[in-house]
Amino acid sequence: GAGVSQTPSNKVTEKGKYVELRCDPISGHTALYWYRQSLGQGPEFLIYFQGTGAADDSGLPNDRFFAVRPEGSVSTLKIQRTERGDSAVYLCASSYSSGGTDTQYFGPGTRLTVL
Amino acid sequence: AQSVTQLDSHVSVSEGTPVLLRCNYSSSYSPSLFWYVQHPNKGLQLLLKYTSAATLVKGINGFEAEFKKSETSFHLTKPSAHMSDAAEYFCVVRSSGTYKYIFGTGTRLKVLA
Repeated sequence: GAGVSQTPSNKVTEKGKYVELRCDPISGHTALYWYRQSLGQGPEFLIYFQGTGAADDSGLPNDRFFAVRPEGSVSTLKIQRTERGDSAVYLCASSYSSGGTDTQYFGPGTRLTVL
Repeated sequence: AQSVTQLDSHVSVSEGTPVLLRCNYSSSYSPSLFWYVQHPNKGLQLLLKYTSAATLVKGINGFEAEFKKSETSFHLTKPSAHMSDAAEYFCVVRSSGTYKYIFGTGTRLKVLA
């Protein structure tokens, strides 16, 4: 079946602009995660959804970052007033449930470049 | 608090020789531990996971890892490296009762012909 998909694959924007990054999880997966991976680093947790609600958003760096999952499937990560430091690969992952040992399946990521 | 330290940022081995990628973790509660692999231009893929069952965990492609609580380690091994093993490997910890998965900074494995 289809894996996790993310669009766009690449996004170039200018400092101060607003961007939206989309994640389509595997069908039937209730848990969804967003991560940010900067060059040379491991993925950094941003937010976790169980169904429609954000169960843990403690990784969001500041109030410019926001994520939604209105119908419990597709999720959108929104970044306002982008800064050059926001440049990174944004990864989405989904798992069947919120069980701690459930396998997370990762998407290919969206590479965001802020000029 | 939870954290994970990957002791080597780069490891080079010759094809056919053993692989050892080292990982130490810190966790306030019973941890779940994972190893993920990231091939160039590919998504992260789960290699194996420890979930408080057997301490020696076998994964895909001949990899295995041993959970050693006394040493707070979860090192990844493979008896014989293959060229296709060249990739970035991440050790990940998740403490019981949390949803946050903490990734290490990664170890880049190079396999020499």
